[in-house]
This record gives sequence, C-alpha cells and structure tokens, in this order.
Amino acid sequence: DTEVTQTPKHLVMGMTNKKSLKCEQHMGHRAMYWYKQKAKKPPELMFVYSYEKLSINESVPSRFSPECPNSSLLNLHLHALQPEDSALYLCASSRQGADEQYFGPGTRLTVT
Amino acid sequence: GEDVEQSLFLSVREGDSSVINCTYTDSSSTYLYWYKQEPGAGLQLLTYIFSNMDMKQDQRLTVLLNKKDKHLSLRIADTQTGDSAIYFCAESEAAGNKLTFGGGTRVLVKP
Repeated sequence: DTEVTQTPKHLVMGMTNKKSLKCEQHMGHRAMYWYKQKAKKPPELMFVYSYEKLSINESVPSRFSPECPNSSLLNLHLHALQPEDSALYLCASSRQGADEQYFGPGTRLTVT
Repeated sequence: GEDVEQSLFLSVREGDSSVINCTYTDSSSTYLYWYKQEPGAGLQLLTYIFSNMDMKQDQRLTVLLNKKDKHLSLRIADTQTGDSAIYFCAESEAAGNKLTFGGGTRVLVKP
C-alpha cells in the first residue's frame, strides 16, 4: 500500500462552521505533513508531525489546528475560517523527515 | 533563504522529448525531487536524485543534476498526451523535513 488517502474530497463551509480534514496512510511512515495550495501556486508547508509530535508550525493562524491521533492518522481541525483560506489542502507522509514525501489527492476547501 | 526557480510553460508535440529546467540557490540541498500534478489532483512523486549523483534514469524519465551550476532538469522521452500536467521541482536539506518547491512548469502536449 503506497497510498495516502484524504477525506473529504470537497468541503464547503461557512465562516462560523467547525469542520475537520482527515488524512490516513498505512505505509508505516513516521512523518506527516499538511500543505496548503492556492490555484496556480506551489504547495506551502503548514505543519509537520514527526513520530506523532508537532515538529514544525509555519506560523499558521490558530483557526487551523492539527492533530495526530496515531502514526497513521493526521487531522486538520478548521474553525472560523476566512474566504481567503479557500484552497486545496494536501496531506503528505514520509518514512522519516528527510525522505521523499508522498502526497494524498487533497481536499478542495471553499469557505463562503 | 532557499529559492527554486522554474520556467512557467512548455509546449511540446506528442512523441517529442520534453526538457523541464529548474535552478536552486541552496548549496546545502541534498535531495532534489520532481513531482507531477494533474488538474484537481495531488502531487505524484516522479523521481528524485541525491546531490552526489549527476544523472538518474527511470524508464522515460532522465534527471540531470549540475551541482556546480545548481541546475536540475527532467527529460521526458516520447512525450504523451497523458504527460500534460504541472511539474514541480523541489529541494530539501538532509537534516530537515521541509520541501522548497519551484513555482511549477505547465507542460502542454499537443497531438
């Protein structure tokens, strides 16, 4: 299994909603990542978890809250988002920090 | 800080070879990657090369690395319409988790 899965595929939420994005991998990878990608731009790193501990937070606003319940799962909790947060949110994983990263298909988020 | 640059667009005829170029500034870059992204999809890892290598070939893909000039290229032989996508090069340091991406090159394959 060399797949990273993400749910939901699409999400539309209002600015007062609370929602969560989910990411799962069963490759035994110990590093997991959240990226944000705006149209026609490269992905921007948001968070890195290494061995289930948050190791990098790229100064992301607190309305985004990551969680790593176990080594296979990564969540991104969303609350009070702004329309400019609309983007493709990508999850990735790697065996360890310096290894190649494998990406999921992404969740297309629209904030209304 | 690190900077990775790519040309914006490449048009190629089906059956021809495509060459996508990338330059980077970080001399401590240890790993260099090529990712492919089709519309509405995530990033697919195509290939990668370590900085102590000059070349890597994998089926239709050939990666060339000129470490002195900090120049990376991806050659796709016998380009097919299914190769139409955005191609991102990326670099990372040995000690870190962070990938620094180029802006992406949109490749359009014409029949």
